[in-house]
Amino acid sequence: AQTVTQSQPEMSVQEAETVTLSCTYDTSESNYYLFWYKQPPSRQMILVIRQEAYKQQNATENRFSVNFQKAAKSFSLKISDSQLGDTAMYFCAFEGYGNKLVFGAGTILRVKS
Amino acid sequence: DSGVTQTPKHLITATGQRVTLRCSPRSGDLSVYWYQQSLDQGLQFLIQYYNGEERAKGNILERFSAQQFPDLHSELNLSSLELGDSALYFCASSDSSPEAGQYFGPGTRLTVL
Repeated sequence: AQTVTQSQPEMSVQEAETVTLSCTYDTSESNYYLFWYKQPPSRQMILVIRQEAYKQQNATENRFSVNFQKAAKSFSLKISDSQLGDTAMYFCAFEGYGNKLVFGAGTILRVKS
Repeated sequence: DSGVTQTPKHLITATGQRVTLRCSPRSGDLSVYWYQQSLDQGLQFLIQYYNGEERAKGNILERFSAQQFPDLHSELNLSSLELGDSALYFCASSDSSPEAGQYFGPGTRLTVL
């Protein structure tokens, strides 16, 4: 079974600075997808960024980028120029065969002014 | 706005009762997923439907059941409710390409008293 581990329960960052959230996963599958979801205080789950395992190039979406290390089974999220609106819980998620999402426990990110 | 709708937003009921949660996927999406988010279990996959047929089952209790109708909306039925069923229930939808990710509705907050 796949597992997703987020080892940082909470993090904080100053506005305008850069922060990196860590995620590792375990799987025996060779083709899969990885995602970061954001859950702000409204509790809505928002898809932030996605990465296909067979693509070596790291995904980027505006201020959000990932560092995907397939051999190390690592998938970290970097947020540049942090904004107050980035304050949220961030979940790393794995999707393999069967299409269900397996989530990590989440990291609470607080952006301070 | 993800395009996925869920009703009701909040539901308060008593132990032993039965409730129905409703979800309408994004236009064109054939897959519907149900997830449960609780403090002790985190985000867990319950069940997936694809074009009216059950595709995958996760940690779904026997007291819970779901279906997807010809118009693609889905309902999650929870019966013989217990205090531990109190949680946020999300519906998500996706198209046929897993790399697109799953888009979540706003969730239904269920409180069992």
